[in-house]
Amino acid sequence: GQQLNQSPQSMFIQEGEDVSMNCTSSSIFNTWLWYKQEPGEGPVLLIALYKAGELTSNGRLTAQFGITRKDSFLNISASIPSDVGIYFCAGQNKRGNNDMRFGAGTRLTVKP
Amino acid sequence: KAGVTQTPRYLIKTRGQQVTLSCSPISGHRSVSWYQQTPGQGLQFLFEYFSETQRNKGNFPGRFSGRQFSNSRSEMNVSTLELGDSALYLCASSLTGNLGQPQHFGDGTRLSIL
Repeated sequence: GQQLNQSPQSMFIQEGEDVSMNCTSSSIFNTWLWYKQEPGEGPVLLIALYKAGELTSNGRLTAQFGITRKDSFLNISASIPSDVGIYFCAGQNKRGNNDMRFGAGTRLTVKP
Repeated sequence: KAGVTQTPRYLIKTRGQQVTLSCSPISGHRSVSWYQQTPGQGLQFLFEYFSETQRNKGNFPGRFSGRQFSNSRSEMNVSTLELGDSALYLCASSLTGNLGQPQHFGDGTRLSIL
């Protein structure tokens, strides 16, 4: 099946710094989504992208759907301690097919 | 609005047993998908149900099965449990499962096989 390559695997940053992570695929996706998962909980949807080139913000988070449809990035500005968690990208590429493919996740640690 | 509810939250079983997990989707959501999450393999798609029918299936053995009821609630069953089945099982729901309708996850059932 299609693989999503997510990088970096982990990040250790200082509070206040900006963060950038990305996902690439060898195949095209029609929808890109970004989720955050904290210990003991399920993934929570952060941003959904539906159109190539789309740039969407949610507070301090900004995500873009790559023009080629094969990549997406997520930026977090002015990080705070509660940003700690694992961030996953996910892609969907078939109408009516709820088979999402996930990246392996980026584990974010924020030092106060 | 209540989110996706999964029960139980934790479960301990032994090899060879079977287990049934339950998922109640967000009210009005008719598509329910199941995922297995492990440290080694990440999030992997098991199957999706819509209108009481399995619409899509991932690459898991037949020991993994599911069903959906008329109220959209779904159950997942794993028979003849193996050690490797230890994982967090996540359920996600969306309105109809079509593109443009992101999935919302429950907090999962953590299954441990002894």
